[in-house]
Amino acid sequence: AQSVSQHNHHVILSEAASLELGCNYSYGGTVNLFWYVQYPGQHLQLLLKYFSGDPLVKGIKGFEAEFIKSKFSFNLRKPSVQWSDTAEYFCAVSVMNTGFQKLVFGTGTRLLVSP
Amino acid sequence: DSGVTQTPKHLITATGQRVTLRCSPRSGDLSVYWYQQSLDQGLQFLIQYYNGEERAKGNILERFSAQQFPDLHSELNLSSLELGDSALYFCASSTRDSFNSPLHFGNGTRLTVT
Repeated sequence: AQSVSQHNHHVILSEAASLELGCNYSYGGTVNLFWYVQYPGQHLQLLLKYFSGDPLVKGIKGFEAEFIKSKFSFNLRKPSVQWSDTAEYFCAVSVMNTGFQKLVFGTGTRLLVSP
Repeated sequence: DSGVTQTPKHLITATGQRVTLRCSPRSGDLSVYWYQQSLDQGLQFLIQYYNGEERAKGNILERFSAQQFPDLHSELNLSSLELGDSALYFCASSTRDSFNSPLHFGNGTRLTVT
């Protein structure tokens, strides 16, 4: 079935550790890729997006993601996390479906950064 | 603040009842999207409206319906509620009729069905 998979449901890191959150999708054809973040008690907001061009995209707050087409992956990375990065992270893929676009989210990864 | 307003913030109701969730999009946004977030299903796309017209449907149950009014606010109606409908319901808006436009999410309505 077509889906967006985030294999790590919960990640716990210490401050200054490096982060990589996995995202794989199973849609063929042209896709656009996003990472959204939801900080505790706040709404979802866009972290970064990939449409075309350089497969390494940089987002806000030092986050970046790499699109690897051959692996159907769009992993999120940050070299050194901070306590304030504690949040839930959602990978999303926009696809065409029955003539309409729709945005499909992964199940999310909860990141806890301990000080 | 995303500019998207959802009311109410919390809703507790009994099985079999009907509720209406309301969403006001960001000023200038024509597209409204509804998502359901539950612990076991993650974020599920329900339905999208653009300038008053239904544009895309996701995993929306027949017991659920939505509409977008001329002033662009939207309502999601949930009827014959079941325990499994308990979830966080998000509304999002964007400027264009395209998921490539960044979505701006509201804070959600937490629905508890008892």
